[in-house]
Amino acid sequence: QVQLVQSGAEVKKPGASVQVSCKASGHTFNGYMHWLRQAPGQGLEWMGWISPNSGGTNYAQKFQGRVTMTRDTSIRTAYMELSRLRSDDTAVYYCARDYCTTTSCPDNWFDPWGQGTLVTVSS
Amino acid sequence: DIQMTQSPSSVSASVGDRVTITCRASQGISSWLAWYQQKPGKAPKLLIYSASSLQSGVPSRFSGSGSETDFSLTISSLQPEDFATYYCQQAKSFPLTFGGGTKVEIE
Repeated sequence: QVQLVQSGAEVKKPGASVQVSCKASGHTFNGYMHWLRQAPGQGLEWMGWISPNSGGTNYAQKFQGRVTMTRDTSIRTAYMELSRLRSDDTAVYYCARDYCTTTSCPDNWFDPWGQGTLVTVSS
Repeated sequence: DIQMTQSPSSVSASVGDRVTITCRASQGISSWLAWYQQKPGKAPKLLIYSASSLQSGVPSRFSGSGSETDFSLTISSLQPEDFATYYCQQAKSFPLTFGGGTKVEIE
């Protein structure tokens, strides 16, 4: 049973960068990892995915140029860095493993999810 | 981007009620649709994928149906633990997008 444990809450100033980590345990680290976010009281927004095997990435156009997803397979950890932070980047950030049921992963379903990391951007 | 529109935005119901939530895609997505349940302060949980496939461990009172642009999630007999917000998500094309959510509240 895969479990994803994320790093703790962060407070950042506008213009700064933040890195959130997501450590996998309980299974092999070989599924695509997605990153999503949820602003306070709002819905869910997909940011992109990273392939743990190749390191290849697919970012939502909205975040292109500001987001970088990486991974360290030796410690089963994925990272999401968001730069040039703005106040509207305040949100809970989630990692979620791709739940793949076909031979052509990723299928782009999200299961399981990390517990979430609150990132607050405030001057 | 594919827009996902859920209705209603909230519904009040009682334990034992049958509840149906609908989700409409702005263009055809075949069966590339999932449903998630989210409780306050918690991460979402995958309930249904591929429009109608029940995720392992999810009670059989949850069911999904539909294809192309019109989908629904039905809870056949609402239980106390089902009061939550439900989201649909399309996986047909990037960026992956979600509906705005439906909050199921106690009547």
